[in-house]
Amino acid sequence: IAGITQAPTSQILAAGRRMTLRCTQDMRHNAMYWYRQDLGLGLRLIHYSNTAGTTGKGEVPDGYSVSRANTDDFPLTLASAVPSQTSVYFCASSPAAGTDTQYFGPGTRLTVL
Amino acid sequence: GQNIDQPTEMTATEGAIVQINCTYQTSGFNGLFWYQQHAGEAPTFLSYNVLDGLEEKGRFSSFLSRSKGYSYLLLKELQMKDSASYLCAVMDSNYQLIWGAGTKLIIKP
Repeated sequence: IAGITQAPTSQILAAGRRMTLRCTQDMRHNAMYWYRQDLGLGLRLIHYSNTAGTTGKGEVPDGYSVSRANTDDFPLTLASAVPSQTSVYFCASSPAAGTDTQYFGPGTRLTVL
Repeated sequence: GQNIDQPTEMTATEGAIVQINCTYQTSGFNGLFWYQQHAGEAPTFLSYNVLDGLEEKGRFSSFLSRSKGYSYLLLKELQMKDSASYLCAVMDSNYQLIWGAGTKLIIKP
């Protein structure tokens, strides 16, 4: 593979269920990001990681958690999904934190009923 | 608060030129990015401006005026494949990207 992969492509989830969205990159990028994209709104940062072993909160972190055990993987977990978490989720990475260009995965479309 | 404004939708004709404007108010400025996003796909990088002036890259150019909090993306010789949303994003003082809602560009033959 080359680039960023996300899984699943789409998911329908019952409210209250736990869900982990997976993100893997093979570019050896240090920084990784999770965004959500909702109609009529700009991309909003959920969590980020500047390097393996560190994570930080973005603009809309409530209800989400992340981990960064190694360089390649950056999973996003919804502990107890709610309908307002229905969105398209994009994972992105950049060579380093800061002004480096971010490269995006194909996205996961999540519907919470 | 931080704010990025861009038109919701624009229409242009194949072969023509279109300018998509973006104005911003952010806490700090570490550069402005333009991304292209086709429907149902991921955003892809187009340009980055950190200094005032025009950056040209093939059919696409991007302009920045930091004093005015203003940028535009200029697309020349429009092709049908340019039909997409164009996202403006500013990197703030915390090195986080603040995104506009995007401009949907419709190209008509």
